[in-house]
Formats: sequence, structure tokens, C-alpha cells
Amino acid sequence: SQQGEEDPQALSIQEGENATMNCSYKTSINNLQWYRQNSGRGLVHLILIRSNEREKHSGRLRVTLDTSKKSSSLLITASRAADTASYFCATDRGTSYGKLTFGQGTILTVHP
Amino acid sequence: EAEVAQSPRYKITEKSQAVAFWCDPISGHATLYWYRQILGQGPELLVQFQDESVVDDSQLPKDRFSAERLKGVDSTLKIQPAELGDSAMYLCASSFLPGLAGYNEQFFGPGTRLTVL
Repeated sequence: SQQGEEDPQALSIQEGENATMNCSYKTSINNLQWYRQNSGRGLVHLILIRSNEREKHSGRLRVTLDTSKKSSSLLITASRAADTASYFCATDRGTSYGKLTFGQGTILTVHP
Repeated sequence: EAEVAQSPRYKITEKSQAVAFWCDPISGHATLYWYRQILGQGPELLVQFQDESVVDDSQLPKDRFSAERLKGVDSTLKIQPAELGDSAMYLCASSFLPGLAGYNEQFFGPGTRLTVL
């Protein structure tokens, strides 16, 4: 079963623009992670934010977490064509052994 | 850079046949995961190993799917018999510090794309 709902389902922008993707979840979490998946490939970890953190940065990525609203957002600034991929949020509910539950994903297309 | 290895990358089979997928996690990673990803959806956990023990297989269709990790290193996922609805990407992932809150980044392999005809 999928815990997270992401929106939009698809996003199309021009190079240089910012891209924002949102993730909502249903139960309390220990941490939330974002992953990227290029077409037909495995997932790559981008960033992890703990439940006691509100904002985190990594290069052109900015992640926010609002536990009161059970939501997170991923911002990619100054997007590039190489950022074209599917982006997934994944929640760790604090069960044993670090099980992650993934959302449905947002398909991002960046046009050169 | 260490990577999770999977084989085969692609598999086409007919329904009712048996298929098997192999995964070799990053050296030293105690936790290994098998996911199924249907086109257009996020990965769904099928089974999770801690060393050689299964710690979560609640979503594994046990009538046809089986998984093992005999020596706590590489792993095999088997489907017998395959059904049309099993067509999907099967992803393997591993992590180094299992269950440690706030530090359970997972490393994914390239996946095996299964097509059942």
C-alpha cells in the first residue's frame, strides 16, 4: 500500500526555472526521504529529513517538512534538462529495520 | 563506487513459467530489500531481509513468490508460476545501518524488467 500522495503527478518546465513537488502522508514518521528515478533505472537517494527538522538543503535541492500538516515539499532550483526524471517521496514510520513506504511519484520534464 | 548488482536486466517469459532474479548488495550492507514497481507507480516492498532472516514479507504473495538470502549476502527472488499481472520492474536495494532512525538511506540496483506473455 502507498502511504504518500504526491502532486503534481506530472510537471513540465523550462531549463532555469524552479520545480516544486509536494508529498503528503498519513501516519507519523521518523524521517522522510526523496529519491530520483531516471527512466527504466533504479532509484537514487537525494536527501533525508528527520521528523524534528523543518528544512534541509543539498546543492540545488531544498526540502521542507511540516509534520503538523503531514506534508513535505522538494524544490529544485535552476533546473537543468538532466533533472528530467521521476521523483518519489518515501516515509520511514519508525518500524523495525527502516522500512520505507513510497509515494506514487512526480514525473518532471525539463525542456532545454 | 560500490553498487547493488542485479541480473538479469530484462526477462521475458510466458505465464505459468518459473523466473528467478538475483541481487548482490553493497558489501557490508546487512539489510536487503526486494521491491516491485508497476509502471507509473512507486516501488512496493515485497520482502526485507536482515542478514539471512526475513523481517518483513507481509506484501509477498507467498503462494507463488519466494525469496532467500542463504549466507546473508546475495539474494534470489523467485516466481513460480508467473502470471500476466506479475509484469513489472523488480528492484533490489540495500542499506548499511538498519532501523537506525534518521539514517536508513537505501541504495538501489538497476532493476529487472519482467514481461509475462
